[in-house]
Amino acid sequence: DQQVKQNSPSLSVQEGRISILNCDYTNSMFDYFLWYKKYPAEGPTFLISISSIKDKNEDGRFTVFLNKSAKHLSLHIVPSQPGDSAVYFCAASGPNFGNEKLTFGTGTRLTIIP
Amino acid sequence: GEEVAQTPKHLVRGEGQKAKLYCAPIKGHSYVFWYQQVLKNEFKFLISFQNENVFDETGMPKERFSAKCLPNSPCSLEIQATKLEDSAVYFCASSRQDRDPEAFFGQGTRLTVV
Repeated sequence: DQQVKQNSPSLSVQEGRISILNCDYTNSMFDYFLWYKKYPAEGPTFLISISSIKDKNEDGRFTVFLNKSAKHLSLHIVPSQPGDSAVYFCAASGPNFGNEKLTFGTGTRLTIIP
Repeated sequence: GEEVAQTPKHLVRGEGQKAKLYCAPIKGHSYVFWYQQVLKNEFKFLISFQNENVFDETGMPKERFSAKCLPNSPCSLEIQATKLEDSAVYFCASSRQDRDPEAFFGQGTRLTVV
């Protein structure tokens, strides 16, 4: 039972354009959502997060949007840079984030084309 | 230390042998998590600790897997009598406290059971 889904296994975007990565979830108990970036042979690195009480959070080139009624979130990267090429994982947690486990999606491989 | 340190980086075991993986969380972090990543994508939560105490073990296989976090020692994940299906990358993560969204991940230990 996949509670967090990333339906696009891969995405290619031209350098300088916007990258949009999508994530859907089924568990309405999820209260906190995170995006992680992963390079090969490395651990995931935290990018940005959003609480369910917000619908948008921005940090530099990264913006996460949350549509709670649709159980959908997206990560926007503007402008996309070659160093953004990596696998991006969406993750979700209950309200006690920090001490609760994360439920991960299966990832989207983003390739930025120079 | 300022990063989650996992050792060894690679581990090869014959079927039926024991495997022991180590994780030193970031100093001052109260929570430690273990995840198993199979097939390069899906992260499966195994167990979490609050300091030396098991916090959530709902993901731990009932048999063969055990974990500890003892004072002044790295945390450990032990697999008795490894099976081929245990081949995966095992990630350790730590977080500071409740309500702190950012879990820091180590580089992982790749376990290959042959």
